[in-house]
Amino acid sequence: DIQMTQSPSSLSASVGDRVTITCRASQSISTYLNWYQQKPGKAPKLLIYAASNLQSGVPSRFTGSGSGTDFTLTIGGLQPEDFATYYCQQSFSSPQGFGQGTKLEIK
Amino acid sequence: QLQLQESGPGLVKPSETVSLTCTVSGGSISSSSYYWGWIRQPPGKGLECIANIYYSGSTYYNPSLKSRITISLDTSKKQFSLELTSVTAADTAVYYCARGIKGDVARFDYWGQGTLVTVSS
Repeated sequence: DIQMTQSPSSLSASVGDRVTITCRASQSISTYLNWYQQKPGKAPKLLIYAASNLQSGVPSRFTGSGSGTDFTLTIGGLQPEDFATYYCQQSFSSPQGFGQGTKLEIK
Repeated sequence: QLQLQESGPGLVKPSETVSLTCTVSGGSISSSSYYWGWIRQPPGKGLECIANIYYSGSTYYNPSLKSRITISLDTSKKQFSLELTSVTAADTAVYYCARGIKGDVARFDYWGQGTLVTVSS
C-alpha cells in the first residue's frame, strides 16, 4: 500500500496568513493526489484534484502543487471559515489512502 | 444538486453484522463515469476507504477488511449498500458514502453527511 504522510499534524495561524501543508507519498504517484477539507461534524469536501486543479466552487486562495512524491496545499490569505482539518488522498493505486490529516487552528 | 444520505442502525453488538445503505438523489446512479464508495472515520481519527462499486458491478475492497465486507448496488432504488460482518469495537466509526469520479484522477466529489456506527454490548 502507498503511505501518505502529512506535515505538520497541526498548525496555528491567524486570519490573513498564508499557510502551506505538505503531503508526501511513499512512492511516486504522479499527480494522482487530491486534497479535502473537513470541519467538525461534517463530511470532507473536495478542494483540489489531480494535485493542482481547483474543484468547482472552491475559492482561488486554495492552490495545490507537486508531482511524484511531494505535494503542497497552500492557502493564501486565511479566512475564518478555513480553520479545519485537511487531508490528502492518493488515487494512484488501491487502496486510495488518505494522509493522517493536518488540523489548522486559529492562533 | 446530487445528494447522498446514509442510513443504518446506529448501535450494533459485537460479532453482529451491520448493514448500511446510501440513497442517491438529484442525479443518476447508473452512469459509467462514476463509482460509489464507502469511507469510514473512527472518532478523532483519519479517513479510511472501505469499498467501491462501479456501475459495471465490479467492486474493490480494502484488503484489511475484505473478508468481512460486501458492497452492492441497486440502481432501481438508486441505492448502494455496505454489509460488515463480525463487528468489533474497532469498527466504531462514522461511515460516509460518496460518489467517485472515474477518469483522469479519481476523487470523491460528493459525500453524504455520515452515519455513526457504535459497536457496543
